[in-house]
Amino acid sequence: GAGVSQTPSNKVTEKGKYVELRCDPISGHTALYWYRQSLGQGPEFLIYFQGTGAADDSGLPNDRFFAVRPEGSVSTLKIQRTERGDSAVYLCASSSISGNEQFFGPGTRLTVL
Amino acid sequence: DAKTTQPNSMESNEEEPVHLPCNHSTISGTDYIHWYRQLPSQGPEYVIHGLTSNVNNRMASLAIAEDRKSSTLILHRATLRDAAVYYCILRDRNDYKLSFGAGTTVTVRA
Repeated sequence: GAGVSQTPSNKVTEKGKYVELRCDPISGHTALYWYRQSLGQGPEFLIYFQGTGAADDSGLPNDRFFAVRPEGSVSTLKIQRTERGDSAVYLCASSSISGNEQFFGPGTRLTVL
Repeated sequence: DAKTTQPNSMESNEEEPVHLPCNHSTISGTDYIHWYRQLPSQGPEYVIHGLTSNVNNRMASLAIAEDRKSSTLILHRATLRDAAVYYCILRDRNDYKLSFGAGTTVTVRA
């Protein structure tokens, strides 16, 4: 079956611009996670959704970052006024309600010039 | 979050076993030991997890020390496709997020 998909695969933007990153989880998975991975480091947790609501957004670095999941399926990570330090690979994962195994997408590589 | 310590890198020959150690001396009774791996230019992939007993699946085996302060991921016969960064992660049974460290970079020689 289809895995987690993320679009776009690459995004280049200029400092100060707004970007949206999309995640399509595995069908039927109620839990959805966003992580961010900087070069040479392990992924870092950003936010967790259970259904439509953000159950934990403690990993979002500041109020420029926001994520939604209005219908409990597709999620969008939104970054306002991008900064060069936001450049990273943004990973999305989903899991079933038991959540032992998280299934990751291929990521979106964001480059802020 | 409970922390794990892994070697930065390990090398192996193709078709030979690989033993990846992980130290987690501050593990709590409700922490599960999870292993994920990340192939180049891909998202992480679940490998295995356990609590107290050794675990086996089609990808690997997980050997957990009796005091649970360390564990070892065993790849029985390494292939070139097993070259990846392997992450050892402690996850509380009531938690959901994964806290990744730097992991161990495994290189497999043909």
